[in-house]
Amino acid sequence: EPEVTQTPSHQVTQMGQEVILRCVPISNHLYFYWYRQILGQKVEFLVSFYNNEISEKSEIFDDQFSVERPDGSNFTLKIRSTKLEDSAMYFCASTLAGWNTEAFFGQGTRLTVV
Amino acid sequence: KQEVTQIPAALSVPEGENLVLNCSFTDSAIYNLQWFRQDPGKGLTSLLLIQSSQREQTSGRLNASLDKSSGRSTLYIAASQPGDSATYLCAVRGETSGSRLTFGEGTQLTVNP
Repeated sequence: EPEVTQTPSHQVTQMGQEVILRCVPISNHLYFYWYRQILGQKVEFLVSFYNNEISEKSEIFDDQFSVERPDGSNFTLKIRSTKLEDSAMYFCASTLAGWNTEAFFGQGTRLTVV
Repeated sequence: KQEVTQIPAALSVPEGENLVLNCSFTDSAIYNLQWFRQDPGKGLTSLLLIQSSQREQTSGRLNASLDKSSGRSTLYIAASQPGDSATYLCAVRGETSGSRLTFGEGTQLTVNP
């Protein structure tokens, strides 16, 4: 069964460092997303991406964040200068179409900023 | 702004019991609602997607209902098993919020053998 794959599963980084989280969405899906879940809190939307551009972003997704689809399969989230409060589980998701189709999530990357 | 609430926050039941998890949302203008399962430290597994035009959706022992006008959904789990122990999340896709999902805080379910 097709699945969304995320790497790494766990990343520890020092405050101020740049990190790149990687995702391989389901191959025929067209919409890609990043969400995050701070420990003990709700899953929160960060950004959606379609047709090689950001289609929507939340207030969390500030200038420290960027997304890219560098090739036909990968979808990345970059955090330029990590802060302690960026520590969270980051989930990638994809949908075949936009609002009316099922979202499939990856297993997540646990980011720990020390 | 859409708010999603799930009650109860935690639930512990003996194996074999039928149970209902509740989800409510403040803005009834939604495209659809999706139920997920989350195991500790893991990703989200999609269980059911129910469109705004639907009243019910079934998958195996799971049945989700949607009452869009009252802003409520329920997830019914029949004949619960210890393997059903997990956190169950509901998420809505609002008509004014593009394709993003807005999540509730989840119900942590424990099924005791």
